[in-house]
Amino acid sequence: GQQLNQSPQSMFIQEGEDVSMNCTSSSIFNTWLWYKQDPGEGPVLLIALYKAGELTSNGRLTAQFGITRKDSFLNISASIPSDVGIYFCAGPLNTGNQFYFGTGTSLTVIP
Amino acid sequence: KAGVTQTPRYLIKTRGQQVTLSCSPISGHRSVSWYQQTPGQGLQFLFEYFSETQRNKGNFPGRFSGRQFSNSRSEMNVSTLELGDSALYLCASSSQGAMNTGELFFGEGSRLTVL
Repeated sequence: GQQLNQSPQSMFIQEGEDVSMNCTSSSIFNTWLWYKQDPGEGPVLLIALYKAGELTSNGRLTAQFGITRKDSFLNISASIPSDVGIYFCAGPLNTGNQFYFGTGTSLTVIP
Repeated sequence: KAGVTQTPRYLIKTRGQQVTLSCSPISGHRSVSWYQQTPGQGLQFLFEYFSETQRNKGNFPGRFSGRQFSNSRSEMNVSTLELGDSALYLCASSSQGAMNTGELFFGEGSRLTVL
């Protein structure tokens, strides 16, 4: 099946620092989604990207759809304690709502 | 608008038993998909239902099955439970009936422990 590799696997940062994580795929995706999962909760969509090269922001979050359509990046500026969680990238197959999820990046923010 | 509701939230079963998990999607959403989340394998797609029809199925054995009712509520069943079935089972609903540009709204999950 499809493999979405995320890096880094985990991050420990000081509050206020910027964060950058990425996701790569062996296949081309036409849509990239970034989700965040808090402990004990289901993932929540942060940003959706639909066009190669697209750069989209949502508050302190910025994500980009790679030109090759095989990668995507998520940046978080000025991190705060509530940014703690696991961040997943996801890409769909061409039929229905079947998504492949990345391996996840666990973020810890130290106050 | 009420979110996706999954029941039960936690359950413990023993090997060989079977389990049924329930998911009520957001009102008006017709697509319901199920994912298994484990520390080792991450989030893996099980199946997706749309208008009571299974539209996609992931790479899981036949012990994993599901269905969707006319009111879009969905159930998934796992028979002959194995230790490796211990996981968080997540249900997601979507308003997109066609291609995969829709946002998935996840429930809080049902955490299954198999002893």
